[in-house]
Amino acid sequence: ILNVEQSPQSLHVQEGDSTNFTCSFPSSNFYALHWYRWETAKSPEALFVMTLNGDEKKKGRISATLNTKEGYSYLYIKGSQPEDSATYLCAFQGGSEKLVFGKGTKLTVNP
Amino acid sequence: DVKVTQSSRYLVKRTGEKVFLECVQDMDHENMFWYRQDPGLGLRLIYFSYDVKMKEKGDIPEGYSVSREKKERFSLILESASTNQTSMYLCASRPSPGQYYEQYFGPGTRLTVT
Repeated sequence: ILNVEQSPQSLHVQEGDSTNFTCSFPSSNFYALHWYRWETAKSPEALFVMTLNGDEKKKGRISATLNTKEGYSYLYIKGSQPEDSATYLCAFQGGSEKLVFGKGTKLTVNP
Repeated sequence: DVKVTQSSRYLVKRTGEKVFLECVQDMDHENMFWYRQDPGLGLRLIYFSYDVKMKEKGDIPEGYSVSREKKERFSLILESASTNQTSMYLCASRPSPGQYYEQYFGPGTRLTVT
C-alpha cells in the first residue's frame, strides 16, 4: 500500500495568521496530486488537482505548490479566517483511478 | 452542480444483519468509489467501479461487496455486519478514466453496528 503522509496532524492558529501544511507522496509513478477541504458535517470538496512538477495553483487566499521529483506538495493559507477551519486532505493518484489519501491536517482558526 | 447523494446520513444496524448503502450521482460519471473514514486512519478505499458491472477491490474490501447495475448508482453491501464496520462511509464519483478530474463526494453515512 502506498504511503501518503501529511503534517502536521493538527494546527491551531489565530485569525489573520498565515499557515502551511505538507503532503509527502511517492515520487515514482506520479499521475496527479489532489487537495480537498473537509468541513465538519459537510462533504469533502476539491481545492486543487495538480499534475506538473513545479505547478502552483491558487484559489483566493489558498495556494499550493507541487514537487513531483522529491514527492511533496505544500498548501498555504494566507490570512487565515475562522471559516478556513477544516480538515485538509491530500491524495496521491498513481497510474490508476484510485486515490490514496493522507490522514489529513486539521486546522482550527481562532477568532 | 454535481450532486452525489447517499441513502442515509445515519444508520444503526445489528451484528449479523445484511446492510445496503446506496449512492447516486447525477452527472453521468464513469468512476464511483466507496471509502470509509475512521479516526486516525484517514479515508480508505473499499471498492471502486469504472463502469457498469465493473468493479475493483480497494485497500480494505474484506467483509464488503458492491453492485453497479446502472451508471448512476453504486451500492455497498455489508454481507454480515460486524461491530468493526462501525464507521463513516463516503461515496464519491469522478468522470472519465485517465483524466485529471477531481472527485465529488456524498455527504456520508455514519453507520453504527451494535
